[in-house]
Amino acid sequence: QKEVEQDPGPLSVPEGAIVSLNCTYSNSAFQYFMWYRQYSRKGPELLMYTYSSGNKEDGRFTAQVDKSSKYISLFIRDSQPSDSATYLCAMSGRTQGGSEKLVFGKGTKLTVNP
Amino acid sequence: GAGVSQTPSNKVTEKGKYVELRCDPISGHTALYWYRQSLGQGPEFLIYFQGTGAADDSGLPNDRFFAVRPEGSVSTLKIQRTERGDSAVYLCASSSYGGGAYNEQFFGPGTRLTVL
Repeated sequence: QKEVEQDPGPLSVPEGAIVSLNCTYSNSAFQYFMWYRQYSRKGPELLMYTYSSGNKEDGRFTAQVDKSSKYISLFIRDSQPSDSATYLCAMSGRTQGGSEKLVFGKGTKLTVNP
Repeated sequence: GAGVSQTPSNKVTEKGKYVELRCDPISGHTALYWYRQSLGQGPEFLIYFQGTGAADDSGLPNDRFFAVRPEGSVSTLKIQRTERGDSAVYLCASSSYGGGAYNEQFFGPGTRLTVL
């Protein structure tokens, strides 16, 4: 079993829909939970991060972390065609040598249709 | 300001050849990471530098892979005797290092390596 599981999709929704993306994980040492967006042939860019359990909102994006269930979610409200990308969940916990290495899910490919 | 840059953007090589991939981190970032992203997968950690030293190389798949960061800035990932399974996008990320606080990793665009 991989440390982080994410349904790769693909996921296709109409413009304006609410999108729900999620990941599960097995390592209880993870402390930081991130969502990255990756456009084709580009590097990942950070959307949001959350420390420990709880919710965090930033504009149309809401991130939720439930450490008791080892489950994280990203919600996108009023989705736009420009949101079409691959969304990667990532997690980290301090490890060897102070490394904050990220453990990623496979990514979910999202298409928002006009 | 300038972000993380990686060169070359694409590299095609033949099986058995040696390749070097370069990463220029954001100025002043002491932490540097290399990841490898295979097709349809998320990035996987390879190695972490804090300054000039490799503090965590637990993700390197075997001894054909090696990385250096001699002056604490630019880093080079070196792959010897390349194999077709090494084909992937190699991503570099850098961050400031602030002890216990969260430090965002900023990613470069990656080098797409194809081994024929």
